[in-house]
Amino acid sequence: QKEVEQDPGPLSVPEGAIVSLNCTYSNSAFQYFMWYRQYSRKGPELLMYTYSSGNKEDGRFTAQVDKSSKYISLFIRDSQPSDSATYLCAMSALENNDMRFGAGTRLTVKP
Amino acid sequence: ETGVTQTPRHLVMGMTNKKSLKCEQHLGHNAMYWYKQSAKKPLELMFVYSLEERVENNSVPSRFSPECPNSSHLFLHLHTLQPEDSALYLCASSQDLTTSQPQHFGDGTRLSIL
Repeated sequence: QKEVEQDPGPLSVPEGAIVSLNCTYSNSAFQYFMWYRQYSRKGPELLMYTYSSGNKEDGRFTAQVDKSSKYISLFIRDSQPSDSATYLCAMSALENNDMRFGAGTRLTVKP
Repeated sequence: ETGVTQTPRHLVMGMTNKKSLKCEQHLGHNAMYWYKQSAKKPLELMFVYSLEERVENNSVPSRFSPECPNSSHLFLHLHTLQPEDSALYLCASSQDLTTSQPQHFGDGTRLSIL
């Protein structure tokens, strides 16, 4: 079993749709959870950063962490073509900065 | 200039060549990282430096040799690479090695081995 599982997609949605991106993980020591957005030919850009369980909202983006289920989600409301990118989940344990990444989900938002 | 800058953006080299990748961060961070990103695979951590000292080497072949002359610069020296080493090489930095600080990435060097 991989330490972090993420559906690679591709995922294609119409403009304005609500997008749900998810990752599951196996290591219960993970405490910090991140979502990165990576545009084509660019490096990953930090989008959301959360600690432990709960929700965090930033504009059209909401990150959810359910540690009991070892499941994290990123929701994008009112999706835009500019949201078309690959989304990477990442997580790390409390004691070190050794981050584990998902393989990324490629999202296309069609006008 | 701000953020994390990587040069060159693209590199094509033969298996017998020697080349170096460069990373520079303008964020005042103390920790720097090299990652390998291959298609449809998770990022693979290669090396970690904190205050110019290497703190992690994830079983990376010796044909990859990192160098960190100061907290703002990181190099990856390449020698006798294999075709399977073709990938996007990403540099990242963070304030330090504690988990409360997220990592910030450069745009990578796309490496192709002929």
